[in-house]
Amino acid sequence: DAGVIQSPRHEVTEMGQEVTLRCKPISGHNSLFWYRQTMMRGLELLIYFNNNVPIDDSGMPEDRFSAKMPNASFSTLKIQPSEPRDSAVYFCASSLDRGAVDEQFFGPGTRLTVL
Amino acid sequence: AQSVTQLGSHVSVSEGALVLLRCNYSSSVPPYLFWYVQYPNQGLQLLLKYTTGATLVKGINGFEAEFKKSETSFHLTKPSAHMSDAAEYFCAVSVNTGGFKTIFGAGTRLFVKA
Repeated sequence: DAGVIQSPRHEVTEMGQEVTLRCKPISGHNSLFWYRQTMMRGLELLIYFNNNVPIDDSGMPEDRFSAKMPNASFSTLKIQPSEPRDSAVYFCASSLDRGAVDEQFFGPGTRLTVL
Repeated sequence: AQSVTQLGSHVSVSEGALVLLRCNYSSSVPPYLFWYVQYPNQGLQLLLKYTTGATLVKGINGFEAEFKKSETSFHLTKPSAHMSDAAEYFCAVSVNTGGFKTIFGAGTRLFVKA
């Protein structure tokens, strides 16, 4: 398996533009996570899906952020409009559907820079 | 609610020396505990995990960790550091609470001196 795939790997955009990050989880995994990593705040869970359904979105910072999982093999994280403080590395991770015992498999991340 | 505290945001050791990265957790129910490693410009990858059973857990690259319930700790050790161990290490706790939630520590960056 190719592992978790994220695109793009790098994104540079201007403030106010829409940004869409994409993720393909490992085949057969039923849970998908979006994280944001910054020097100041560390690794933060933004949203968690199970069987394509959002279970916990309490980490989504504000209404500018939205996430979808239309099917088991694809998820998007959208920021509209983007702001400089959104600059971070965004990770997608997936895991099997066995609850807390499962480890998460992380993608390589998308480094977002908002100018 | 559960939480994770990693003592020391930076740890520096000499090559060949013992590596000790500290992790303490708080949980009202039996936790599952994990250590992940992040190399530069990469995502996190699992080093080892404790679920049930033997409290001394061995992972990849010679790392091991011991679950001590009485001390609520899950410290990561390696007898002899290698230059390739330089990375950031994250402790995480996960519990079943109807659904489940995984909480990551703030991370400890390990430096290895030649």
